[in-house]
Amino acid sequence: DTEVTQTPKHLVMGMTNKKSLKCEQHMGHRAMYWYKQKAKKPPELMFVYSYEKLSINESVPSRFSPECPNSSLLNLHLHALQPEDSALYLCASSQGSGVEKLFFGSGTQLSVL
Amino acid sequence: AQSVTQLGSHVSVSEGALVLLRCNYSSSVPPYLFWYVQYPNQGLQLLLKYTSAATLVKGINGFEAEFKKSETSFHLTKPSAHMSDAAEYFCAVSVSGANSKLTFGKGITLSVRP
Repeated sequence: DTEVTQTPKHLVMGMTNKKSLKCEQHMGHRAMYWYKQKAKKPPELMFVYSYEKLSINESVPSRFSPECPNSSLLNLHLHALQPEDSALYLCASSQGSGVEKLFFGSGTQLSVL
Repeated sequence: AQSVTQLGSHVSVSEGALVLLRCNYSSSVPPYLFWYVQYPNQGLQLLLKYTSAATLVKGINGFEAEFKKSETSFHLTKPSAHMSDAAEYFCAVSVSGANSKLTFGKGITLSVRP
């Protein structure tokens, strides 16, 4: 299994809603990442978990809350988002935290109304 | 700080023609360089990477790239374009040897004409 699975594929939410994005991998990877990608733009790193501990937070607003319940799962909890948060949210994983190959999921397309 | 520059936003080639996507980097230390591809409604997929071994790097789907320090370039090529190559291509650089410090270029869209 060489896949990173993200659910849901599409999500529409209001500014007062609370929702969560889920990411799962079963490759034994110990580093997991959240990226945000606006249309026609490169991905922007949001968070990095290494060995289930948050190692990097790229000054992301607190309305985004990551969680790594175990080595295979990564969640992104969303609360009180703004319309400008609408984007493709990509999860990725790698064997370690070096320059090993990044495996990306297909993403969750989020629309905030 | 490191960076990569991908000039232009769109390249169009005929099927069977040479594909050349340009990437120039800026780094004060030896860089690690990558090319990623993103098909519509998909995540990114690694095509190839340079990590200071051979300067000519072969990747998946017939793509290759050559690291040229004198030109600070890492251009992506494929001898013969296929319709399935139509996608967004991102060049990226890391100087710390960490994926968490990967800096992506703005990307370039490749179209393939029949």
